[in-house]
Amino acid sequence: DAKTTQPPSMDCAEGRAANLPCNHSTISGNEYVYWYRQIHSQGPQYIIHGLKNNETNEMASLIITEDRKSSTLILPHATLRDTAVYYCIAHKAAGNKLTFGGGTRVLVKP
Amino acid sequence: ETGVTQSPTHLIKTRGQQVTLRCSSQSGHNTVSWYQQALGQGPQFIFQYYREEENGRGNFPPRFSGLQFPNYSSELNVNALELDDSALYLCASSPGLAGGVADTQYFGPGTRLTVL
Repeated sequence: DAKTTQPPSMDCAEGRAANLPCNHSTISGNEYVYWYRQIHSQGPQYIIHGLKNNETNEMASLIITEDRKSSTLILPHATLRDTAVYYCIAHKAAGNKLTFGGGTRVLVKP
Repeated sequence: ETGVTQSPTHLIKTRGQQVTLRCSSQSGHNTVSWYQQALGQGPQFIFQYYREEENGRGNFPPRFSGLQFPNYSSELNVNALELDDSALYLCASSPGLAGGVADTQYFGPGTRLTVL
């Protein structure tokens, strides 16, 4: 899986949008961009994934640049319960392992 | 809720002992992956099982072994426990789709293993 780079931490105000960047400049054509989050001491929670097009679900939106070298996860209205470590992962289609990096520790403040 | 369950929640063992951790996958998911997460780090891939056969292994010694059963349950066995084996052990199930389609892994809550 391609290496991904994320800022180690960021703060966000409750009710505001949180924009989480991820760099994956060496991503290959068959690698999806996956986002997971992990709330303290729980199992990682799947958020969203995409290949080329922007994606949206009930939790978040994923914006992937046209050259696929970077992406942004958007939490539209952050709540205190969104405080977690967010992981961006480049994952081969039908691949086995997920390679977790350091992630971004997001703190949502009142 | 992912439909993936793990047992036990917590476990304490002593060095040299053996441990078995259990996972129940989502119904219909024929692939299960196991990860180890040390404190303060991201999860590390141990191995994956697809239709009861090992389908890839991370950088873990042979004393880490697994089994997958037809009823969507699986086990992680660790022999000769070492202090560094203390970690959160996570299983993740996925549909196991083939043909270049994204195969999303859904994680269970984990088992916290402490080795004294």
